Amino acid sequence: EAGVTQFPSHSVIEKGQTVTLRCDPISGHDNLYWYRRVMGKEIKFLLHFVKESKQDESGMPNNRFLAERTGGTYSTLKVQPAELEDSGVYFCASSPTGNEQFFGPGTRLTVL
Amino acid sequence: KNQVEQSPQSLIILEGKNCTLQCNYTVSPFSNLRWYKQDTGRGPVSLTIMTFSENTKSNGRYTATLDADTKQSSLHITASQLSDSASYICVVSALGAGSARQLTFGSGTQLTVLP
Repeated sequence: EAGVTQFPSHSVIEKGQTVTLRCDPISGHDNLYWYRRVMGKEIKFLLHFVKESKQDESGMPNNRFLAERTGGTYSTLKVQPAELEDSGVYFCASSPTGNEQFFGPGTRLTVL
Repeated sequence: KNQVEQSPQSLIILEGKNCTLQCNYTVSPFSNLRWYKQDTGRGPVSLTIMTFSENTKSNGRYTATLDADTKQSSLHITASQLSDSASYICVVSALGAGSARQLTFGSGTQLTVLP
């Protein structure tokens, strides 16, 4: 069974540009989570989808971040326009029940 | 504010030796505590999960303990192997509003096992 996949694995963009990160959860997992780890800090929660609905988006830092989950399958996280402080590793996780979460390998975003 | 503190920040041991990693938390209301192993370039993988009523849980050479009164947990690794080199992250789950759950992550302990 395939695990959680994320694309791209790395992205380097300039300040002001737009970047879209993609997450494909484990098939059948209704719960999908986005997390972020900035340099030297701990991983922090961004938001939680149940199917296509946003269950909790209290961790989203500001309105430059937009997450979608069309059809309740894969999810995208768009950053527009990107700022220097957005650099970090963005993790996606999925879960069938909301208990144990299975993490993807992350997307390393560098904003220059 | 929910927080998870881990120590040490980094640790270097020789292959075959044992080690213990510490985690202190101030997450409320407490739901459960997990230890994750994160290899370089990969996502965290769950090692153990403990609820309020459990005070020890083993997974092979990994043994986690939980003291819910003092809000402390430890992860003991026995007979370390080179493949144990990774970041070990303590994650505490709090019961959120409704059915939502949020995880509070520690910064991790970077373990290096040398031959």
